[in-house]
Amino acid sequence: KAGVTQTPRYLIKTRGQQVTLSCSPISGHRSVSWYQQTPGQGLQFLFEYFSETQRNKGNFPGRFSGRQFSNSRSEMNVSTLELGDSALYLCASSLGWGGAQYFGPGTRLLVL
Amino acid sequence: TQLLEQSPQFLSIQEGENLTVYCNSSSVFSSLQWYRQEPGEGPVLLVTVVTGGEVKKLKRLTFQFGDARKDSSLHITAAQPGDTGLYLCAGPFNSGGSNYKLTFGKGTLLTVNP
Repeated sequence: KAGVTQTPRYLIKTRGQQVTLSCSPISGHRSVSWYQQTPGQGLQFLFEYFSETQRNKGNFPGRFSGRQFSNSRSEMNVSTLELGDSALYLCASSLGWGGAQYFGPGTRLLVL
Repeated sequence: TQLLEQSPQFLSIQEGENLTVYCNSSSVFSSLQWYRQEPGEGPVLLVTVVTGGEVKKLKRLTFQFGDARKDSSLHITAAQPGDTGLYLCAGPFNSGGSNYKLTFGKGTLLTVNP
């Protein structure tokens, strides 16, 4: 079975721009979660989608949004980028909430 | 405030030594998961513990869930360089209403020197 894939792997943007990251879950997994990882804050939960609906949400501003498509693929969008948004963004899929999370390799975003 | 506190933050040991890392909270968790993350990759699930007092073994790794389900530990016997990585604990947390989030500790960065 193919693992979780994320594109792009690396991205450089400037302040004020917006960015869209993509995640393809493991086949059959309907839950997709997004996380932000930074050296200072560690891994922080952004949101979780299940069957195209946002089911759970972390404590991030509205500039962070996401969506899930009928094939379970998910996208995350960050608008009006700030320097502090520089981080590794990880996507994880699972069969259902609370189950084993299978992580992709992440997208490393650098905001200049 | 970090819901899950991990200690130590950094650990550097020689091959063959034993070690224990800890994951503590003031909150009760229904379950806790342990992950290992290597540079340039996403975390990989090692184990899930769900019952207070539970002990699970995975080859040279032993995981324990505290009786009160507020803490967990990971013990590695005869560490090898391949054990090097960031060890993360995580648990589901109700952040209000029906909203849950999977909360992670900041991790223990383990280096095993040959």
